[in-house]
Amino acid sequence: DTEVTQTPKHLVMGMTNKKSLKCEQHMGHRAMYWYKQKAKKPPELMFVYSYEKLSINESVPSRFSPECPNSSLLNLHLHALQPEDSALYLCASSQKRAGARANEKLFFGSGTQLSVL
Amino acid sequence: DAKTTQPPSMDCAEGRAANLPCNHSTISGNEYVYWYRQIHSQGPQYIIHGLKNNETNEMASLIITEDRKSSTLILPHATLRDTAVYYCIVRVYNNNDMRFGAGTRLTVKP
Repeated sequence: DTEVTQTPKHLVMGMTNKKSLKCEQHMGHRAMYWYKQKAKKPPELMFVYSYEKLSINESVPSRFSPECPNSSLLNLHLHALQPEDSALYLCASSQKRAGARANEKLFFGSGTQLSVL
Repeated sequence: DAKTTQPPSMDCAEGRAANLPCNHSTISGNEYVYWYRQIHSQGPQYIIHGLKNNETNEMASLIITEDRKSSTLILPHATLRDTAVYYCIVRVYNNNDMRFGAGTRLTVKP
């Protein structure tokens, strides 16, 4: 199984709603990533978890709250979002073996297309 | 500061080789060169990576210049399904930091 599964595929929410994006992998990977991608732009790194600990936070606004409850799951909790937060949210994972050389490839999910009204 | 520079767009005829260049003149000795591609409405897909030697796999070949300041991704026989945005990324050894630049939009034409 080399799949990263993201749910839901599409989400429409109002600015006062609370919602969550979910990402799951069963490849035994120990690093998981959230990216945000606006139309016709490259993916922007948001958060990275390594061994279930937050290792990178790219100064993302607090209305985005990541959570890594175990090594297979990654959530992104959304609250009080703005219309400009509408984008494709991509999750990825990599093996992150301790002491491994930088030959780790990222496996990406298909993303959640988020629309904030 | 962008670590890589790629042409914004390229065309290639179906069945011909597609050669995608990338400049990374400030690359450090411990940074690898990675290539990913993103087909419309999908997540990015890993293609190949290398440190200083040329690399080949079932998808593509990666040619890195001797001074490591530039590289070329080669798709030997491009098909219409290779139409995508191709990203060249440099990444430090065992670092979580995988950041995408603007990429090259490759269009394969019949």
